[in-house]
Amino acid sequence: GQNIDQPTEMTATEGAIVQINCTYQTSGFNGLFWYQQHAGEAPTFLSYNVLDGLEEKGRFSSFLSRSKGYSYLLLKELQMKDSASYLCAVVDSNYQLIWGAGTKLIIKP
Amino acid sequence: DARVTQTPRHKVTEMGQEVTMRCQPILGHNTVFWYRQTMMQGLELLAYFRNRAPLDDSGMPKDRFSAEMPDATLATLKIQPSEPRDSAVYFCASGPGLADVETQYFGPGTRLLVL
Repeated sequence: GQNIDQPTEMTATEGAIVQINCTYQTSGFNGLFWYQQHAGEAPTFLSYNVLDGLEEKGRFSSFLSRSKGYSYLLLKELQMKDSASYLCAVVDSNYQLIWGAGTKLIIKP
Repeated sequence: DARVTQTPRHKVTEMGQEVTMRCQPILGHNTVFWYRQTMMQGLELLAYFRNRAPLDDSGMPKDRFSAEMPDATLATLKIQPSEPRDSAVYFCASGPGLADVETQYFGPGTRLLVL
Protein backbone atom coordinates (compact mmCIF):
# COMPACT_ATOMS: atom_id res chain seq x y z
CA GLY A 1 0.00 0.00 0.00
CA GLN A 2 0.91 3.65 -0.19
CA ASN A 3 1.71 5.46 3.01
CA ILE A 4 2.77 8.95 4.02
CA ASP A 5 3.63 9.68 7.65
CA GLN A 6 3.84 13.09 9.28
CA PRO A 7 3.56 14.12 12.91
CA THR A 8 0.02 15.18 13.75
CA GLU A 9 0.95 18.32 15.64
CA MET A 10 4.03 20.34 16.57
CA THR A 11 4.56 23.39 18.73
CA ALA A 12 7.34 25.95 18.33
CA THR A 13 8.23 29.42 19.56
CA GLU A 14 8.15 32.62 17.55
CA GLY A 15 11.60 33.37 16.14
CA ALA A 16 12.78 29.78 16.46
CA ILE A 17 13.38 27.05 13.85
CA VAL A 18 11.18 24.01 13.33
CA GLN A 19 11.62 20.90 11.19
CA ILE A 20 8.57 18.98 9.98
CA ASN A 21 9.35 15.47 8.84
CA CYS A 22 7.63 13.34 6.23
CA THR A 23 8.37 9.70 5.47
CA TYR A 24 6.79 7.86 2.59
CA GLN A 25 6.33 4.41 1.11
CA THR A 26 4.82 4.63 -2.34
CA SER A 27 4.71 2.67 -5.58
CA GLY A 28 7.32 4.68 -7.42
CA PHE A 29 8.37 8.26 -6.91
CA ASN A 30 8.12 11.27 -9.17
CA GLY A 31 8.58 14.06 -6.69
CA LEU A 32 7.35 15.41 -3.37
CA PHE A 33 5.31 18.52 -2.67
CA TRP A 34 4.84 20.57 0.48
CA TYR A 35 1.70 22.67 0.83
CA GLN A 36 0.67 25.10 3.55
CA GLN A 37 -2.93 25.29 4.72
CA HIS A 38 -4.15 27.94 7.13
CA ALA A 39 -7.23 27.06 9.15
CA GLY A 40 -10.37 27.47 7.08
CA GLU A 41 -8.43 28.13 3.90
CA ALA A 42 -7.20 26.24 0.85
CA PRO A 43 -3.81 24.51 0.59
CA THR A 44 -1.18 26.64 -1.14
CA PHE A 45 2.02 25.44 -2.80
CA LEU A 46 5.29 25.78 -0.89
CA SER A 47 7.86 23.55 -2.58
CA TYR A 48 8.56 20.66 -4.91
CA ASN A 49 11.57 18.31 -4.66
CA VAL A 50 12.43 15.56 -7.10
CA LEU A 51 16.21 15.32 -6.61
CA ASP A 52 18.06 14.64 -3.37
CA GLY A 53 19.20 17.61 -1.39
CA LEU A 54 18.10 20.85 0.14
CA GLU A 55 16.14 23.55 -1.67
CA GLU A 56 15.99 26.92 0.02
CA LYS A 57 13.31 29.50 -0.56
CA GLY A 58 13.52 32.41 1.84
CA ARG A 59 12.67 31.31 5.38
CA PHE A 60 11.48 27.92 4.14
CA SER A 61 13.68 25.04 2.99
CA SER A 62 12.76 21.54 1.87
CA PHE A 63 15.00 18.50 1.92
CA LEU A 64 14.66 15.16 0.15
CA SER A 65 16.39 11.80 0.48
CA ARG A 66 14.92 9.36 -2.03
CA SER A 67 16.95 6.41 -0.74
CA LYS A 68 15.50 6.91 2.75
CA GLY A 69 11.99 7.81 1.63
CA TYR A 70 12.27 10.96 3.69
CA SER A 71 11.71 14.66 3.41
CA TYR A 72 11.56 17.57 5.79
CA LEU A 73 10.34 21.13 5.69
CA LEU A 74 12.48 23.57 7.65
CA LEU A 75 10.97 26.85 8.77
CA LYS A 76 13.32 29.51 10.15
CA GLU A 77 12.64 32.73 12.06
CA LEU A 78 9.15 31.55 12.83
CA GLN A 79 6.36 34.09 12.72
CA MET A 80 2.87 33.84 14.17
CA LYS A 81 1.48 33.72 10.64
CA ASP A 82 3.32 30.41 10.10
CA SER A 83 0.73 28.74 12.33
CA ALA A 84 -0.93 26.40 9.85
CA SER A 85 -1.06 22.80 8.71
CA TYR A 86 1.72 21.57 6.46
CA LEU A 87 0.84 18.83 3.99
CA CYS A 88 3.35 16.48 2.41
CA ALA A 89 2.30 14.86 -0.89
CA VAL A 90 4.18 12.35 -3.04
CA VAL A 91 3.77 11.79 -6.78
CA ASP A 92 3.73 8.03 -7.40
CA SER A 93 4.64 6.01 -10.49
CA ASN A 94 1.21 6.71 -12.04
CA TYR A 95 1.67 10.43 -11.45
CA GLN A 96 -1.03 10.33 -8.79
CA LEU A 97 -0.58 12.66 -5.83
CA ILE A 98 -0.65 10.79 -2.51
CA TRP A 99 -1.38 13.13 0.38
CA GLY A 100 -0.24 12.92 3.98
CA ALA A 101 -2.66 13.82 6.77
CA GLY A 102 -0.78 17.02 7.50
CA THR A 103 1.10 18.45 10.48
CA LYS A 104 -0.58 21.19 12.48
CA LEU A 105 2.07 23.70 13.54
CA ILE A 106 1.29 25.89 16.53
CA ILE A 107 3.48 28.95 17.07
CA LYS A 108 3.64 30.41 20.57
CA PRO A 109 4.86 33.92 21.38
CA ASP B 1 -5.09 37.64 -10.41
CA ALA B 2 -5.98 34.14 -11.64
CA ARG B 3 -7.72 32.00 -9.04
CA VAL B 4 -9.89 28.94 -8.83
CA THR B 5 -13.37 29.91 -7.72
CA GLN B 6 -15.95 27.70 -6.04
CA THR B 7 -19.60 28.17 -5.22
CA PRO B 8 -21.27 28.01 -2.83
CA ARG B 9 -18.73 28.67 -0.10
CA HIS B 10 -21.03 27.22 2.55
CA LYS B 11 -23.97 24.85 2.27
CA VAL B 12 -26.25 23.48 4.96
CA THR B 13 -28.79 20.94 3.82
CA GLU B 14 -30.89 18.11 5.09
CA MET B 15 -30.23 14.45 4.55
CA GLY B 16 -31.65 13.23 1.26
CA GLN B 17 -31.37 16.55 -0.55
CA GLU B 18 -29.34 17.06 -3.71
CA VAL B 19 -26.19 19.15 -3.41
CA THR B 20 -24.42 20.72 -6.37
CA MET B 21 -21.01 22.32 -6.04
CA ARG B 22 -19.43 24.35 -8.82
CA CYS B 23 -15.87 25.16 -9.70
CA GLN B 24 -14.33 27.52 -12.21
CA PRO B 25 -10.72 26.50 -12.88
CA ILE B 26 -8.03 29.03 -13.71
CA LEU B 27 -8.46 30.13 -17.30
CA GLY B 28 -6.29 27.99 -19.57
CA HIS B 29 -5.83 25.18 -17.06
CA ASN B 30 -6.58 21.73 -18.49
CA THR B 31 -6.66 19.56 -15.38
CA VAL B 32 -9.28 19.73 -12.65
CA PHE B 33 -9.35 17.82 -9.37
CA TRP B 34 -12.11 17.39 -6.80
CA TYR B 35 -11.02 16.65 -3.21
CA ARG B 36 -12.84 16.07 0.04
CA GLN B 37 -11.19 17.02 3.32
CA THR B 38 -12.23 15.91 6.78
CA MET B 39 -10.41 15.90 10.10
CA MET B 40 -10.39 12.12 10.15
CA GLN B 41 -9.38 11.35 6.55
CA GLY B 42 -7.41 14.37 5.43
CA LEU B 43 -7.45 15.17 1.71
CA GLU B 44 -9.08 12.49 -0.46
CA LEU B 45 -9.11 12.65 -4.25
CA LEU B 46 -12.64 12.16 -5.56
CA ALA B 47 -12.25 12.85 -9.29
CA TYR B 48 -9.73 14.06 -11.83
CA PHE B 49 -10.32 15.53 -15.29
CA ARG B 50 -7.91 16.30 -18.09
CA ASN B 51 -9.17 18.31 -21.06
CA ARG B 52 -12.69 17.83 -19.65
CA ALA B 53 -12.44 14.03 -19.83
CA PRO B 54 -12.74 12.11 -16.56
CA LEU B 55 -9.51 10.18 -15.97
CA ASP B 56 -9.96 8.93 -12.44
CA ASP B 57 -13.04 8.86 -10.25
CA SER B 58 -12.13 5.75 -8.29
CA GLY B 59 -12.23 7.69 -5.02
CA MET B 60 -15.82 8.74 -5.51
CA PRO B 61 -18.84 6.79 -4.19
CA LYS B 62 -20.55 6.18 -7.53
CA ASP B 63 -23.97 5.49 -6.11
CA ARG B 64 -24.49 9.04 -4.93
CA PHE B 65 -21.69 11.21 -6.31
CA SER B 66 -21.19 12.43 -9.86
CA ALA B 67 -18.67 14.80 -11.38
CA GLU B 68 -18.83 16.50 -14.75
CA MET B 69 -17.21 19.23 -16.82
CA PRO B 70 -19.90 20.69 -19.06
CA ASP B 71 -17.30 23.03 -20.52
CA ALA B 72 -13.72 24.10 -19.94
CA THR B 73 -14.73 26.83 -17.49
CA LEU B 74 -17.05 24.81 -15.26
CA ALA B 75 -16.72 21.65 -13.21
CA THR B 76 -19.55 20.32 -11.07
CA LEU B 77 -19.76 17.82 -8.24
CA LYS B 78 -23.18 16.52 -7.28
CA ILE B 79 -24.32 14.47 -4.33
CA GLN B 80 -27.75 12.87 -4.55
CA PRO B 81 -29.02 11.93 -2.05
CA SER B 82 -26.78 13.59 0.52
CA GLU B 83 -26.03 11.93 3.86
CA PRO B 84 -24.62 13.31 7.14
CA ARG B 85 -21.33 11.47 6.51
CA ASP B 86 -20.83 13.66 3.42
CA SER B 87 -20.26 16.66 5.68
CA ALA B 88 -16.79 17.92 4.79
CA VAL B 89 -14.94 20.62 2.92
CA TYR B 90 -14.87 20.00 -0.83
CA PHE B 91 -11.97 21.54 -2.71
CA CYS B 92 -11.53 21.98 -6.40
CA ALA B 93 -8.02 22.40 -7.78
CA SER B 94 -6.71 23.04 -11.27
CA GLY B 95 -3.40 22.68 -13.06
CA PRO B 96 -1.99 23.73 -16.42
CA GLY B 97 -2.09 20.16 -17.76
CA LEU B 98 1.18 20.60 -19.62
CA ALA B 99 3.29 18.09 -17.72
CA ASP B 100 2.86 14.90 -15.76
CA VAL B 101 3.87 16.60 -12.51
CA GLU B 102 2.48 20.04 -11.80
CA THR B 103 1.49 22.29 -8.96
CA GLN B 104 -2.20 22.18 -8.17
CA TYR B 105 -3.97 25.46 -7.42
CA PHE B 106 -6.81 25.10 -4.95
CA GLY B 107 -10.06 26.97 -4.73
CA PRO B 108 -11.39 28.25 -1.38
CA GLY B 109 -13.58 25.17 -0.87
CA THR B 110 -17.25 24.49 -0.22
CA ARG B 111 -18.05 23.73 3.41
CA LEU B 112 -20.91 21.26 3.40
CA LEU B 113 -22.99 20.32 6.40
CA VAL B 114 -25.64 17.65 5.96
CA LEU B 115 -28.07 17.45 8.86
